[in-house]
Amino acid sequence: AQKVTQAQTEISVVEKEDVTLDCVYETRDTTYYLFWYKQPPSGELVFLIRRNSFDEQNEISGRYSWNFQKSTSSFNFTITASQVVDSAVYFCALSARQTGANNLFFGTGTRLTVIP
Amino acid sequence: NAGVMQNPRHLVRRRGQEARLRCSPMKGHSHVYWYRQLPEEGLKFMVYLQKENIIDESGMPKERFSAEFPKEGPSILRIQQVVRGDSAAYFCASSPFQGSSYNSPLHFGNGTRLTVT
Repeated sequence: AQKVTQAQTEISVVEKEDVTLDCVYETRDTTYYLFWYKQPPSGELVFLIRRNSFDEQNEISGRYSWNFQKSTSSFNFTITASQVVDSAVYFCALSARQTGANNLFFGTGTRLTVIP
Repeated sequence: NAGVMQNPRHLVRRRGQEARLRCSPMKGHSHVYWYRQLPEEGLKFMVYLQKENIIDESGMPKERFSAEFPKEGPSILRIQQVVRGDSAAYFCASSPFQGSSYNSPLHFGNGTRLTVT
């Protein structure tokens, strides 16, 4: 079975601080994809990143970076120099090839509040 | 190129009424996925449809819920005799080909927030 755990329910940081959102996943599949989505207060879901299980290279996109470590089954997300506009709920998700290929398994989300 | 369009944005129904949620996929997409987000939870997969076919409904409640994606027109998620526990945000996503939810990012609509009073 697939499972995604986001242990941090809520995080508050002061603007310009760095913040890391944790994501731990479980799957028996050897081929899978991991995703991060952002859900701002307006409610829509914004796709941020996708990584496949064979590519453990870390990725940086502007102030966002992702650290994928298969050894610890983690796919953590760091925002540097946080801004008020980063305030949102962030979801980590997993899609596996053999089981639930049409179906993303989402974590319960981490609510990030950036205080000005 | 318009994204996935869902309507209505908000829907209020009294217990026992029917709710119909609509989803128009992105242009050129023939595969639609419905997800439900209960309050303070992540999204959970409900059903995956191709034009005129249900491919995977493993996440659909056994009763009162149905989905269709006709040859013409939007996909419809229908909830009969709604109960308070159906109150949630319902999201739709689309993709251009089968299996692409696995190997390409799903782009979601803005969701329909159903409130059952």
